[in-house]
Amino acid sequence: QKEVEQDPGPLSVPEGAIVSLNCTYSNSAFQYFMWYRQYSRKGPELLMYTYSSGNKEDGRFTAQVDKSSKYISLFIRDSQPSDSATYLCAMSGAGGSYIPTFGRGTSLIVHP
Amino acid sequence: GAGVSQSPSNKVTEKGKDVELRCDPISGHTALYWYRQSLGQGLEFLIYFQGNSAPDKSGLPSDRFSAERTGGSVSTLTIQRTQQEDSAVYLCASSLGRVAADTQYFGPGTRLTVL
Repeated sequence: QKEVEQDPGPLSVPEGAIVSLNCTYSNSAFQYFMWYRQYSRKGPELLMYTYSSGNKEDGRFTAQVDKSSKYISLFIRDSQPSDSATYLCAMSGAGGSYIPTFGRGTSLIVHP
Repeated sequence: GAGVSQSPSNKVTEKGKDVELRCDPISGHTALYWYRQSLGQGLEFLIYFQGNSAPDKSGLPSDRFSAERTGGSVSTLTIQRTQQEDSAVYLCASSLGRVAADTQYFGPGTRLTVL
């Protein structure tokens, strides 16, 4: 079992839909939870970061962390074709480590 | 300001040859990471540099892989005697390195193809 599990998709949705992306993890010591967006042939860019459990909202994006269930989510409201990308979850801070563990990424396609 | 840059953007080599991949981090960033991304896979950690500390090499897949960081800035990842399974995108990232949550800024990657 990988330390971070993420469904690779692809996930195809119509424009305007609410998108839910998820990751599960096994190491309860993770403290920092991140979502990266990666466009084709580009490097990942940080989208959102959350410390410990709870919700964080930024515009159309909401990140949720449930440490009791070892489950994190990213919600995208009013999805746009420009949101089409691969979304990678990442976690760090276990044992003070600065090295994040990444999920495989979920490919999202938002069609007009 | 300039972001993380990597060169070359693409590299095609023959099996058994050595390759060098370069990363120029953001100025002032003390932490530098190398990752490998194979088709359909997540980011696989390779090596981590933090300031003047000894690098964390725990992710290097074999002794054919090595990396150095000169003057706390530019880093070079070297793969000796390349194999076809080394074909992947090699990504470099840098961060301020103050805390584990510091944002990592990624370069565009080097796409390595081993024939």
